[in-house]
Amino acid sequence: DIQLTQSPSSVSASVGERVTITCRASQDVSTWVVWYQQKPGKAPKVLVYAASHLESGVPSRFSGSGSGTDFTLTISTVQAEDFATYYCQQANAFPITFGQGTRLDIK
Amino acid sequence: VQLEESGGGMVQPGGSLSLSCVGSGLRFGNYEMNWVRQAPGKGPEWVSYISTSGTTIHYAESVRGRFTISRDNDQSSLFLHMKSLRAEDTGLYYCACQRVAGATGAFDYWGQGVLVIVSS
Repeated sequence: DIQLTQSPSSVSASVGERVTITCRASQDVSTWVVWYQQKPGKAPKVLVYAASHLESGVPSRFSGSGSGTDFTLTISTVQAEDFATYYCQQANAFPITFGQGTRLDIK
Repeated sequence: VQLEESGGGMVQPGGSLSLSCVGSGLRFGNYEMNWVRQAPGKGPEWVSYISTSGTTIHYAESVRGRFTISRDNDQSSLFLHMKSLRAEDTGLYYCACQRVAGATGAFDYWGQGVLVIVSS
């Protein structure tokens, strides 16, 4: 199975700050990585697919990069509505796997 | 697009339960379907996949042999039959779909989830 390791597991930030979350895969997944945002009581929501493609309707302050085994989700200027938990997911091979999550909270 | 799950509840260890998911607002037969679960306070865990025609199926190792996924495209429905349930199967079960055309690997749409509790 492909393991996804996210770091950090939690991060505190103020509104307007830049935040970077990383996701490392245990083997090459090409660009088959998706980033989700999840808020309490809600299903995950797609932010970025194919490692770097912004989902329609997602604010441009979100961006993704990477290929192979190392991936990054960046929020250029954090807004109040961005405080949530973020997950990466690989779709390169079954079983589909998720990272353990990164919780972004208010400093 | 709406995906609506049903069938959850509380069951004793070793018991069985069947989940359903009905889709609306989408051409159901054009989407690959999955079940994804989330234990309380944990991240999502993929459970099972079924192709558009139902001919290709995958399971997570943790549920293989105990869970069975199926679909009825005419009824825009997805099913998960679960048997020999364990405490570790407790969680919120989501149905989630993946587009085939322009596939990205993402779970594009999710239901609201249905709660399964396995406890004596």
